[in-house]
Amino acid sequence: DARVTQTPRHKVTEMGQEVTMRCQPILGHNTVFWYRQTMMQGLELLAYFRNRAPLDDSGMPKDRFSAEMPDATLATLKIQPSEPRDSAVYFCASAPDRYEQYFGPGTRLTVT
Amino acid sequence: QKEVEQDPGPLSVPEGAIVSLNCTYSNSAFQYFMWYRQYSRKGPELLMYTYSSGNKEDGRFTAQVDKSSKYISLFIRDSQPSDSATYLCAMSTRMDTGRRALTFGSGTRLQVQP
Repeated sequence: DARVTQTPRHKVTEMGQEVTMRCQPILGHNTVFWYRQTMMQGLELLAYFRNRAPLDDSGMPKDRFSAEMPDATLATLKIQPSEPRDSAVYFCASAPDRYEQYFGPGTRLTVT
Repeated sequence: QKEVEQDPGPLSVPEGAIVSLNCTYSNSAFQYFMWYRQYSRKGPELLMYTYSSGNKEDGRFTAQVDKSSKYISLFIRDSQPSDSATYLCAMSTRMDTGRRALTFGSGTRLQVQP
């Protein structure tokens, strides 16, 4: 049963600290998405990659967020420095070359 | 104004009721419409996928698209407590939505009371 995995599942950190979230897409999926979900804004796209190349990161605050895919089995999202307004659930999703996006369980981030 | 509007609810119904969930949108270029279901503390999962206007049925679920009104609906017949979740609509201008970002509604929280 292929699934997207995300680590950590929960993260509590203090303002100013670096946060790194990791995602392992489903093997063979060539597109990876990062979303952020909050009560106020809903599900927002932050960035996405195809064949490890970034296609769109216009949803990310560039000064503090960065997304990479060092290899086909790992996508990372970093926040440095973190701020309380970054508190949210961060989802990774992967997709094959058709319509369905498969979401991971999310990383619940709390910045105090 | 958001491109996709969805009433956040919560919507509370008794078991066995017919549920109607809706989204409106402003971008007339949207052609591909999806409904995702999200259980508490889980990631969204695809429930229904439709193209352009019309209806699509899958078991107890029916998705309806009215492009002239820019309005989509999801109907759940014989609702069950296990249907309690947040339902998000999502849309795309292109068929290859696995290759492109989706525009999501904010989600409607549904509670089906036993």
